[in-house]
This record gives sequence, C-alpha cells and structure tokens, in this order.
Amino acid sequence: DSGVTQTPKHLITATGQRVTLRCSPRSGDLSVYWYQQSLDQGLQFLIQYYNGEERAKGNILERFSAQQFPDLHSELNLSSLELGDSALYFCASSVEGAGANVLTFGAGSRLTVL
Amino acid sequence: AQSVTQLGSHVSVSEGALVLLRCNYSSSVPPYLFWYVQYPNQGLQLLLKYTTGATLVKGINGFEAEFKKSETSFHLTKPSAHMSDAAEYFCAVSVYFGNEKLTFGTGTRLTIIP
Repeated sequence: DSGVTQTPKHLITATGQRVTLRCSPRSGDLSVYWYQQSLDQGLQFLIQYYNGEERAKGNILERFSAQQFPDLHSELNLSSLELGDSALYFCASSVEGAGANVLTFGAGSRLTVL
Repeated sequence: AQSVTQLGSHVSVSEGALVLLRCNYSSSVPPYLFWYVQYPNQGLQLLLKYTTGATLVKGINGFEAEFKKSETSFHLTKPSAHMSDAAEYFCAVSVYFGNEKLTFGTGTRLTIIP
C-alpha cells in the first residue's frame, strides 16, 4: 500500500457521460498530481495542485477539471466522455513540487468508455 | 522544457542475464532523474533517483543507474535478471526544486525468458 488512495478502481460508462475520480494523498503530502496512461499516449501529465491551489497544467482537455479540497484530497472530473478517454488515471502525491522529490503513486482508476 | 527518450519499447533477457534499459534525457539545466517500475495492474513505484552527488545510484531490487552528463544518459542496469523483474520501466526527469511536474518517457516493457 503506497498510502495514496484512488477510487473507484474500475469505472465503465458511456460516451457523453461525466465521472469523478477521487484521490487521497499520502499523509503529510501537500502536492497532488494527475496523470493519464493510455496505450497510444503513454503517461501524460494532466494537472498538479499544491495545498489547494493549481500549480501546473499539462495536457489536460477543457472537458476535464480538477480541484484539491481543504483536507487535501483531490477530484478529477471528466465530462462529455469520448471513447478516447478510456485510460488508466493515476494520482500521485509528494511533499512539495516535483523537483527532486519522489512522487508516490496510487494504484490508478481504470476508466472504460463504451 | 525537459524530456526523456527510452530506447526500446520492449526488451527481453534470459533469467540470470544482464538487464540494460536505456534512457537519454534533454534538459537545459541540471536534471533530476528517476526510474520508476510498474508491475501489472499496479501503480508506479520508485526504483532509484539521481539528484546531485555520486553519479552511480543504487536502487531497490539490485538495480542501479549511472548519470552520464556527457552522454545525457541515465541507463538502468541489473547484473542478473530475475523472473520477478518482469514489468514496465519508466525513466523520468524533472528540474530544480519547485518544478511542478515529472516528465516520463514512453516506457520499456521488460520480459524475462526462463
């Protein structure tokens, strides 16, 4: 157990729908990162939050949004889902920004869009 | 912006043979370099990291990597492969403290032949 908890583990939904993925960071970590892993794109950085504030944005679609709450858990919202959004979504956490810090990853949420 | 290139998306070695996974990086400033491993149906976990100091870095499970600035490389090695080493390996780079994201390579799937 890495200490980073992601729910749900698996999610199957239809095109056009909206889903929310949840992440609880490791105790003491203030930064939360979201990554998307797909066969064709590899591991893509989506977005990072630090202590409730957005700190960096990567290849995140406008249909996707995220936030980090006062208790430091984070949610990734995916809307108007398309077939191509099917992927494994990872949350990771670290004490501060990436830099030299190690990211601790959760087990991922596998999203299947039918 | 920093980037990494992993040479070889698939590598097969015999049990007991040398494991060599190649990673080259690009960065305009001194990088921090990481190797992560992903076992089937699991999240990524850190194998080893280079920040500053000794260029030969030892990690878990008998793996090590050497930072070679002149070659912009950070290849991962293990003297003797074990069946349990079968996994996907990701090289990653970030720069200076506070950088907000870790950039991953496309991964190398390691297969161990009995």
